Amino acid sequence: NAGVTQTPKFQVLKTGQSMTLQCAQDMNHEYMSWYRQDPGMGLRLIHYSVGAGITDQGEVPNGYNVSRSTTEDFPLRLLSAAPSQTSVYFCASSSHYAAEKLFFGSGTQLSVL
Amino acid sequence: DQQVKQNSPSLSVQEGRISILNCDYTNSMFDYFLWYKKYPAEGPTFLISISSIKDKNEDGRFTVFLNKSAKHLSLHIVPSQPGDSAVYFCAASAPPSGGSYIPTFGRGTSLIVHP
Repeated sequence: NAGVTQTPKFQVLKTGQSMTLQCAQDMNHEYMSWYRQDPGMGLRLIHYSVGAGITDQGEVPNGYNVSRSTTEDFPLRLLSAAPSQTSVYFCASSSHYAAEKLFFGSGTQLSVL
Repeated sequence: DQQVKQNSPSLSVQEGRISILNCDYTNSMFDYFLWYKKYPAEGPTFLISISSIKDKNEDGRFTVFLNKSAKHLSLHIVPSQPGDSAVYFCAASAPPSGGSYIPTFGRGTSLIVHP
């Protein structure tokens, strides 16, 4: 029972580089989301998806793109990394209308130099 | 403009005593409240939740109290154990409009339980 799997666990980028953070879940959850955690700022929602083919912006979407071609996968793309995107990124999923039990991945520590 | 506020960044408690973590919210549309626990280098995990139709929910050593008139909830841990040392996030959700619940998180409270 893998749950929510995020890769990579650590990544260092140079300013301007692009990369994709991967997220996959094996629980057949409709809802998936990406958060970033910064010191003293809690968890802030970047993008979310309520099902395959449907995505929407969260609180801090600028600089990030997402797509949801399958139920299982929800990758987060940084098109041109900036130092302000240095953060810990968490992917989370839940079943539709299940307000509780967001299942989180173990996170990706990203540093942009 | 924070809709979910955890005003205490940290809390230190002795093992065996009660830990009380507080959370305030401003959006009167919130009707479901959750607590998540996060250890270093791990993702948050769901701990306990409460619906707005209740004022208390218990699960073992953990109890969440909701005061809707004050827009305040609290998490009580009794007795506290060193393994409870973690960051605790309060989250709140309003009824979904055409989609899933989208929780709003507070900034977290770091709990340290001393042996």
